[in-house]
Amino acid sequence: EADIYQTPRYLVIGTGKKITLECSQTMGHDKMYWYQQDPGMELHLIHYSYGVNSTEKGDLSSESTVSRIRTEHFPLTLESARPSHTSQYLCASSPIVKGHKYEQFFGPGTRLTVL
Amino acid sequence: QKEVEQDPGPLSVPEGAIVSLNCTYSNSAFQYFMWYRQYSRKGPELLMYTYSSGNKEDGRFTAQVDKSSKYISLFIRDSQPSDSATYLCAKGATQGGSEKLVFGKGTKLTVNP
Repeated sequence: EADIYQTPRYLVIGTGKKITLECSQTMGHDKMYWYQQDPGMELHLIHYSYGVNSTEKGDLSSESTVSRIRTEHFPLTLESARPSHTSQYLCASSPIVKGHKYEQFFGPGTRLTVL
Repeated sequence: QKEVEQDPGPLSVPEGAIVSLNCTYSNSAFQYFMWYRQYSRKGPELLMYTYSSGNKEDGRFTAQVDKSSKYISLFIRDSQPSDSATYLCAKGATQGGSEKLVFGKGTKLTVNP
């Protein structure tokens, strides 16, 4: 079944730790995105990619980094986590299809807490 | 002024009620609008995708776009407790050659049995 997966779903870590949030999709989509969502706030785009070896920063400044070595895989890394990084992180993907280029399909999210 | 404004609610209705969820947007160049449903501790799920003005219906859900007043609406008929969720409106935007979504803050809906 075509889907988009995120692991872990929940993560509690201490300050200064390096973490990687995983995102994979089996829909064959070229475009992938990372959003940050805080309670009662809009989703904010932090990174996006239009294909392998293509990554761009989004509208919200983030200390995280991303990579896109395979079409289906778009991991996000925090080199040194801080309490200000506590948030929900959502991964999404989108096809490059005329008339549907804005449709984005979301994963279940990773809820990160940094102590 | 935010690009997409959405009343956060919360909104509480009895089962069977007709629900109206609304957003306004500030840039008339946009033509693609979406509604997402997000259950607690889950990712957003695409409900409706509309282009330009007019209505689009899918089962109990109707999305309406009024470009003259820059207003987008989602109507839910015969609301069910399973409709209890946060509803996010979004518009498609092309910025710097990239297609992006701009989201509202979401309206939390509770349908009481």
